[in-house]
Amino acid sequence: GAVVSQHPSRVICKSGTSVKIECRSLDFQATTMFWYRQFPKQSLMLMATSNEGSKATYEQGVEKDKFLINHASLTLSTLTVTSAHPEDSSFYICSVRSQGTGNTIYFGEGSWLTVV
Amino acid sequence: AQKVTQAQTEISVVEKEDVTLDCVYETRDTTYYLFWYKQPPSGELVFLIRRNSFDEQNEISGRYSWNFQKSTSSFNFTITASQVVDSAVYFCALSNQGGKLIFGQGTELSVKP
Repeated sequence: GAVVSQHPSRVICKSGTSVKIECRSLDFQATTMFWYRQFPKQSLMLMATSNEGSKATYEQGVEKDKFLINHASLTLSTLTVTSAHPEDSSFYICSVRSQGTGNTIYFGEGSWLTVV
Repeated sequence: AQKVTQAQTEISVVEKEDVTLDCVYETRDTTYYLFWYKQPPSGELVFLIRRNSFDEQNEISGRYSWNFQKSTSSFNFTITASQVVDSAVYFCALSNQGGKLIFGQGTELSVKP
């Protein structure tokens, strides 16, 4: 069964609104989660590292005020795209590293965001 | 800096042909991990293999095999007797011990009947 659950799998929102994507670690506690973005026909790019109980670490070029990350518990990280624009339409996917199984990395199912 | 290069953007083969997807990586870390993922059109990432930098043994899993060579910083993936269901985008990725993944550009494999 799934180790990491991501919700929603697909979402359409209006330009200017905010949308929240959840990433849940189902089988183990995760102090660190990762958020990636993938534009059509492109590779996956790391956006930020989500740290439980502290601020996320953003990659260069990613606007922290636009992509709000909250990691309030050991099993849940959320990514909120604020004031979404059509250019934010993308595939967003999270991952969790399990130290208990030799550095295995598990991915969520991903979320397709379309901003209209 | 870490980098992964998949020079083949698209590959098209006919069913039952063997196909090799190339992956070359760069890292200064002595401990690192290499991955291959399959991404079908639905988007989810299907884990295929993970290799750590200290294990250069090649691996075979059914029709899939991987050739890890530290001397050339390569981690190539071969599908034997390809099938239509193998059609997907395949990503090679590199990670240090922290868990961040650096992905290659991906190779879109099309297997025609």
